Formats: sequence, C-alpha cells, structure tokens
Amino acid sequence: EIVLTQSPATLSLSPGERATLSCRASQSVSSFLAWYQQKPGQAPRLLIYDASSRATGTPARFSGSGSGTDFTLTISSLEPEDFAVYYCQQRSSWPPSITFGQGTRLEIK
Amino acid sequence: EVQLVESGGGLVQPGRSLRLSCTVSGFTFGDYVMIWFRQAPGKGLEWVGFIRSRAYGGTSEYAASVKGRFTISRDDSKSIAYLQMNSLTTEDTALYYCTRGVVSGVTPTLVAADYWGQGTLVTVSS
Repeated sequence: EIVLTQSPATLSLSPGERATLSCRASQSVSSFLAWYQQKPGQAPRLLIYDASSRATGTPARFSGSGSGTDFTLTISSLEPEDFAVYYCQQRSSWPPSITFGQGTRLEIK
Repeated sequence: EVQLVESGGGLVQPGRSLRLSCTVSGFTFGDYVMIWFRQAPGKGLEWVGFIRSRAYGGTSEYAASVKGRFTISRDDSKSIAYLQMNSLTTEDTALYYCTRGVVSGVTPTLVAADYWGQGTLVTVSS
C-alpha cells in the first residue's frame, strides 16, 4: 500500500503570507494526487486533482505541483478563510485503493 | 445544484448490520463513480470503497479494512447509492461520507472526489 506523508504536521502563518505544504508518497503515484481542505464541522472540499488541476471554484491563490513521489500545495497569499486542515490523497490502480496523508493543520499565527 | 445526502446512520451494537443510503440530485447519477469515505472522531480520512458506473461494469472495490463485510450498491433509477455494513466493530465508528468521483485521463481513471455529502454518523457500541 502506498503511504502518503504530509509535512509539516502544523503550519503557523499569518494572513497574507505564503503557505507551502508538502506531501511525499512511498512510491510513485504519477500525477494521481489530489488536495482537499477541511474546516471544523464540514466535509472536505476538493481543491486540486491530477497534482496541478484546480477543481471548480478553487481560488487561483491555490496551486499544486509535483509528480512521482513529491508534491506541493502552495497558497500564494493566505486569506482568513484558508486556515483549515489540508489532506493529500492518491489513487492506486492495482490493487485498487485510495489513501490519504495524515493532514497538515494550517493555523493562524 | 449538486447535492448528496447520506442517511441511515445511528447507534448499533457490535456484530450487527446497518445500511447507509446516499440520495443525490443535480447530476446524472448513472454516469458517475460513487465513493464512500469515513472519518473517525478527531481522526483523518479513510477510503471505504467505490462503485463504478454501469458503463464501466458497475463493479465495486473496497478497502482491506472492510472487504468481505461491507458492500456498495447503486440504484441508478432512484439516484441512490448504498453502503451495506455487516459484522460491525467499534473500529467502524465514524462519520461516513458519500462522494462523487472525478475521472481523468485518456483511459479514464478515478482520481478524486469532487462533491461530498455532509456525512452520517455511525456509532458502534454495546
């Protein structure tokens, strides 16, 4: 099973700053990597799929990059509503499976 | 507007069964892969399983933790997906989410989930 490791576990930043979140896979996942945002009491929201494609409604300040085993979610200038938990997710074709990283908590400094 | 509404959660004793439903609207249900995820209280996200659309055989895949105990089915005429959960254990306690799959690529590959319901809570306890 492919394991996704996110870093850091917690990131403390101020509004207006740039956020860089990392996700590393235990083996190549090609570009089959997605990013989600989850706020307390809410369902996750898809931000990025295929490593760098923004989902419908995702603001342009969110961007994804990477391929193979190393991926990054960048938020260019943090807005107050961006403070949340972020998960990366991969999809394996064989055996069919979907796994998530453990999450990065983005908190207000 | 795309909507997914889960129902059927509740308190159940270990070893018993429960069936969750996911009623959708706002899109052509039969065209999409439907995926179930869960999230234990205070924990991260876990994939449960998914069911392909009829065009791709309508077959299902499951996480190792639920394989043989859980079954996903769909009724395209009613736009409902189901999650039948048998032999429940306390480890199955979680908020269960129904989601719509995103397929990408020349050979269509399930890559993500773009719409999520609000979840239904399943508590397994004696």
